[in-house]
Amino acid sequence: QQKVQQSPESLIVPEGAMTSLNCTFSDSASQYFAWYRQHSGKAPKALMSIFSNGEKEEGRFTIHLNKASLHFSLHIRDSQPSDSALYLCAVSMFVGDNSKLIWGLGTSLVVNP
Amino acid sequence: NSKVIQTPRYLVKGQGQKAKMRCIPEKGHPVVFWYQQNKNNEFKFLINFQNQEVLQQIDMTEKRFSAECPSNSPCSLEIQSSEAGDSALYLCASSPQTGGYEQYFGPGTRLTVL
Repeated sequence: QQKVQQSPESLIVPEGAMTSLNCTFSDSASQYFAWYRQHSGKAPKALMSIFSNGEKEEGRFTIHLNKASLHFSLHIRDSQPSDSALYLCAVSMFVGDNSKLIWGLGTSLVVNP
Repeated sequence: NSKVIQTPRYLVKGQGQKAKMRCIPEKGHPVVFWYQQNKNNEFKFLINFQNQEVLQQIDMTEKRFSAECPSNSPCSLEIQSSEAGDSALYLCASSPQTGGYEQYFGPGTRLTVL
């Protein structure tokens, strides 16, 4: 049974800081890795995803995957108060029929102005 | 922005009452998921559909929970006899891929069972 764990549980950073969020998974056969963001009272929304080892950058956000270490991360450069939200990581076992995302419990991020 | 519609946004029921919530997935998305998000932010997968067919569901949904996604009608999730532990945010998501790995969420229905 795939296990997905996030760290830290919560994080407070000042505006402008670099924020790093971590996600570990248990099954090396996992194929799809994603970060979602959920603002208070709102729907979760996909931020970034990656399929293969390496890095992908989109604006202030970078996702990094290391399958051998069973770890992927999200880095937020120049963190803004509007980035304050619950960040959820999710992992899928296969990209195809009957895949299912397994979710972490989230990291609550607060960016202080 | 996601175009998944969920109704109602808030639902209050007494223990033992039925609770029914609805979801209209994004147009053209063949896969629909239901999740329960509790007060600790834990996402629990409940059931998913591809078109009108159930793909996967957990044991919990086989007892008091029922769900369907009829053609040309909203999908629905119904709890036959609500319990206090069912109080949670129920999220519906739809996916454009048959694999369902990229998901678009609705705003959720917050169920409170008194």
